[in-house]
Amino acid sequence: SQTIHQWPATLVQPVGSPLSLECTVEGTSNPNLYWYRQAAGRGLQLLFYSVGIGQISSEVPQNLSASRPQDRQFILSSKKLLLSDSGFYLCAWAQNTEAFFGQGTRLTVV
Amino acid sequence: KQEVTQIPAALSVPEGENLVLNCSFTDSAIYNLQWFRQDPGKGLTSLLLIQSSQREQTSGRLNASLDKSSGRSTLYIAASQPGDSATYLCAVNPSGTYKYIFGTGTRLKVLA
Repeated sequence: SQTIHQWPATLVQPVGSPLSLECTVEGTSNPNLYWYRQAAGRGLQLLFYSVGIGQISSEVPQNLSASRPQDRQFILSSKKLLLSDSGFYLCAWAQNTEAFFGQGTRLTVV
Repeated sequence: KQEVTQIPAALSVPEGENLVLNCSFTDSAIYNLQWFRQDPGKGLTSLLLIQSSQREQTSGRLNASLDKSSGRSTLYIAASQPGDSATYLCAVNPSGTYKYIFGTGTRLKVLA
């Protein structure tokens, strides 16, 4: 069966520090991969998605970037975090139109 | 631009009631609609997926319907239980895209 791993679960980072969140999927090949952010009291905002290795589509121009170095690995990065980057980050994969989510990373920028 | 709205934003009911949660979307050109459950501080759990050609899907006490032409979906929860307390989110997959567009959710509390 397919599983999705996302880590770390929680992260506290100072303003201006770099960020790297990793997501891996097991049990499937060539999935579509997604990064969403959920701010407090708001809905899920699509940040990036990827339909193949090295293919990244950005939805919201901002302080973040994404990479897909392997088929089942999706990485969210920032060179310098801002306070406004705080939130709950969710990785997801989809195949045959159904989407499945990881357990999320709670990022607090201080 | 596709927009998804969920009503009500919050709902509190006594145990045993049957519930209806609503989801509306502005563009009927969708591949599918998916309902999720989110517990506090957790990720999303997929509940039901309705393809654009389908009218409804059922899983246990949950039934989701889709009226694509009117841009509406409902999630029906029968005989609600305290364990059903969570936020329920709907998402549409617009035709011609790989994206999932989410509503802001309905926060459900079932009282024992």
